[in-house]
Amino acid sequence: AIQMTQSPSSLSASVGDRVTITCRASQGIRNDLGWYQQKPGKAPKVLIYAASSLQSGVPSRFSGSGSGTDFILTISSLQPEDFATYYCLQDYNYPLTFGQGTKVEIK
Amino acid sequence: EVQLVESGGGLVQPGGSLRLSCAASGFTLSDNYMDWVRQAPGKGLEWVGRIRKKANSDTTEYAASVKGRFTVSRDDSTNFLYLQMNSLKTEDTAVYYCVRTQLVGATSIAYDLWGQGTMVTVSS
Repeated sequence: AIQMTQSPSSLSASVGDRVTITCRASQGIRNDLGWYQQKPGKAPKVLIYAASSLQSGVPSRFSGSGSGTDFILTISSLQPEDFATYYCLQDYNYPLTFGQGTKVEIK
Repeated sequence: EVQLVESGGGLVQPGGSLRLSCAASGFTLSDNYMDWVRQAPGKGLEWVGRIRKKANSDTTEYAASVKGRFTVSRDDSTNFLYLQMNSLKTEDTAVYYCVRTQLVGATSIAYDLWGQGTMVTVSS
């Protein structure tokens, strides 16, 4: 199974900060990667698919980049509603695998 | 309204069985790939299994941890998705989500619609 390693596991940031979260795959996965946001007690929500495509309705402060093994989720200016846990997901092959999550907390 | 609503969770003893249901409204299940994803208490997300759309012969895929014990199926007459879980273990304790899988681009997917989740607790 492909391992997805996210870093950092958690971070503290202030409103307005630029935040980057990385996800590394244990083997090349082309651009078959998505980013998901989950708030406590809620189902996850897709932000980015195919590594860099913004899901409809998601604010443009979210962006994704990368291909192969290294991927980045960037929040250009952190907003109060962005405090949540973020997961990457590879859909290159089976089994699909998620990163372990990155918790973004208020500084 | 386009939505997914899971039901059927609860407390079951190790070795027992449970069937989760997922009612779809506002769209046709058989036109979509549908997945199950779970989340153990305080832990991350784990992919469980998939059923492909009717045009792809309803074939299924499973995580190694559930293969041979869990079965994903669909009833097209009622627009329900199911997860039959047998030989349950304590490590299967989790919130289970049914998820619509949108095929995007040439090879990628996006989980564009999630249910609210149903809790399964495996304990004696």
